[in-house]
Amino acid sequence: QAHLVQSGAEVKKPGASVKVSCKASGYTFTGYYMHWVRQGPGQGLEWMGWISPNSGATNYAQKFQGWVTMIRDTSISTAYMELNSLRSDDTAVYYCARGRVDRSSNQHALDIWGQGTMVIVSS
Amino acid sequence: SYEVTQPPSLSVSPGQTASITCSGDKLGDKYACWYQQKPGQSPVLVIYQDSKRPSGIPERFSGSNSGNTATLTISGTQAMDEADYYCQAWDSNTVLFGGGTKLTVL
Repeated sequence: QAHLVQSGAEVKKPGASVKVSCKASGYTFTGYYMHWVRQGPGQGLEWMGWISPNSGATNYAQKFQGWVTMIRDTSISTAYMELNSLRSDDTAVYYCARGRVDRSSNQHALDIWGQGTMVIVSS
Repeated sequence: SYEVTQPPSLSVSPGQTASITCSGDKLGDKYACWYQQKPGQSPVLVIYQDSKRPSGIPERFSGSNSGNTATLTISGTQAMDEADYYCQAWDSNTVLFGGGTKLTVL
């Protein structure tokens, strides 16, 4: 059964960086895109971007361009999301989610989600 | 940029039908997905490609998409269906979420 397990909670100071990991199991890691989504306290879902574990290609939401980096290590079936120059309003739960692609339309649905990683940014 | 919008809240009585809408320009030309999120939990995909249910999702969940509106319908709503629901579309190689609808079953 497909499963995504994320790294543990982080507390960071403003201006620091955070790197969250997402380890996949139960499916072929390189066969599906990996998306990152965050959710601030009491807020909705905010999409950050995706990475193709097969090619390493990425596509970031415009808001996060220049600020986020998504990479993967296929040898250990793990994706990473690094966010730089953290501010207090980056306090959120960060999720990785597997992208299920419809081949005819190339549209993605996020069918498996990690448990979330709480990132707190506070001085 | 493309946007999808949802009503912030909806209330329904147990056993009744809940219809949650998601609006966007020519949304019917794209696929819509729906996610359920209960407090303290990760989102769960309940509908993809407008109307398909992933394995394990009850048959009372159904979806449609036409014109400018996608709709998630929950037939015979149960107390366990109380949750936030998010629609999602795909445009220009990016994921777009609606703001979410809080479904209250009372």
